[in-house]
Amino acid sequence: GQQVMQIPQYQHVQEGEDFTTYCNSSTTLSNIQWYKQRPGGHPVFLIQLVKSGEVKKQKRLTFQFGEAKKNSSLHITATQTTDVGTYFCAGHDNAGNMLTFGGGTRLMVKP
Amino acid sequence: DGGITQSPKYLFRKEGQNVTLSCEQNLNHDAMYWYRQDPGQGLRLIYYSQIVNDFQKGDIAEGYSVSREKKESFPLTVTSAQKNPTAFYLCASSYLAGNGYEQYFGPGTRLTVT
Repeated sequence: GQQVMQIPQYQHVQEGEDFTTYCNSSTTLSNIQWYKQRPGGHPVFLIQLVKSGEVKKQKRLTFQFGEAKKNSSLHITATQTTDVGTYFCAGHDNAGNMLTFGGGTRLMVKP
Repeated sequence: DGGITQSPKYLFRKEGQNVTLSCEQNLNHDAMYWYRQDPGQGLRLIYYSQIVNDFQKGDIAEGYSVSREKKESFPLTVTSAQKNPTAFYLCASSYLAGNGYEQYFGPGTRLTVT
């Protein structure tokens, strides 16, 4: 079945440093979604990418979808303590109704 | 105030007992989902439902059962056959199942079985 992997699993950064998490799928995706889960909370939808090579920005967050639609990345510029949490990518393959989640990257920011 | 509610927030059970987790949504969404999250892990799909009176198994359905008698409600029963039931259970919904629809998550239920 479809597998979605994320690296790194954990990342500690100093406040103000940049952060990137990478997502790779074993199969071609029809779209990729990103979610953020604060410690003790539940996942909250951030964004969806659909087109090959698509890039979207939300303030300090930049999301990319690979040309082959098998990988994606989330880059945060100048991290803040409010960025703390686990970031998950999740993708639909071309066939299914199921969303497959990556294992997540837990971001910790030292003030 | 629209959203998804799950109750209870924390649940403790003895081994060998069945337990039912509640999930209710007032977003008028057709699709609903149950995920399991273990510490430091991603989300794994247990069951999903695209419409009332219909549901499909996800990746880890063994030891779980669901029902979808009403659009608003999708309860999950963790049976005694589930070997490792202690986990964080998240319910979600989306307007429709499938591509292009974001999922809205409830606050989750932390189940501990001893």
